[in-house]
Amino acid sequence: GAVVSQHPSRVICKSGTSVKIECRSLDFQATTMFWYRQFPKKSLMLMATSNEGSKATYEQGVEKDKFLINHASLTLSTLTVTSAHPEDSSFYICSGRKDQYNEQFFGPGTRLTVL
Amino acid sequence: KNEVEQSPQNLTAQEGEFITINCSYSVGISALHWLQQHPGGGIVSLFMLSSGKKKHGRLIATINIQEKHSSLHITASHPRDSAVYICAVGEDFGNEKLTFGTGTRLTIIP
Repeated sequence: GAVVSQHPSRVICKSGTSVKIECRSLDFQATTMFWYRQFPKKSLMLMATSNEGSKATYEQGVEKDKFLINHASLTLSTLTVTSAHPEDSSFYICSGRKDQYNEQFFGPGTRLTVL
Repeated sequence: KNEVEQSPQNLTAQEGEFITINCSYSVGISALHWLQQHPGGGIVSLFMLSSGKKKHGRLIATINIQEKHSSLHITASHPRDSAVYICAVGEDFGNEKLTFGTGTRLTIIP
């Protein structure tokens, strides 16, 4: 199978600090990676689509200056939450697209708590 | 925009029971995904299908394109099957965005 990892799995930070979350495809090359956010007992909400070597495409309502996405290689994408605030506390999940047939493989998620 | 509805929202069953979770969508799709999310949050992709039926172990997924409906079945359910099951649809090949249902919370009682 195709495996996606995320690091860290859990992070607690103070308000105003920046947090970087890594998403890695371990055994495949992901030309496209997706970043999702999930609130408690809610479904996943797509934040942005990231293609290797190009700028991410953000969904409406997602602040690109606040959620910085970098997809520097075919196996690594990073999401940086800048100047985090308590309302940014959430569960962040990434996925990688393995091939042209739209199958996505999801990471285990990162739980961010901003105090 | 595609509307994805799942039913039931919550389901509690005894171990061994046959489980069915339903998913309906409003606009034609390229593929439908069934995902499993355990209490810790991690998501596992169970199936991706665009027609017919797929089987993996005790899990079976079917889709009816004409009726815009899919079902996920679990045979001989077990407490470890307890999780949230999420249906997601992609509308176009080349447009990878998925629209997610709100999930079905399944609890299997020993």
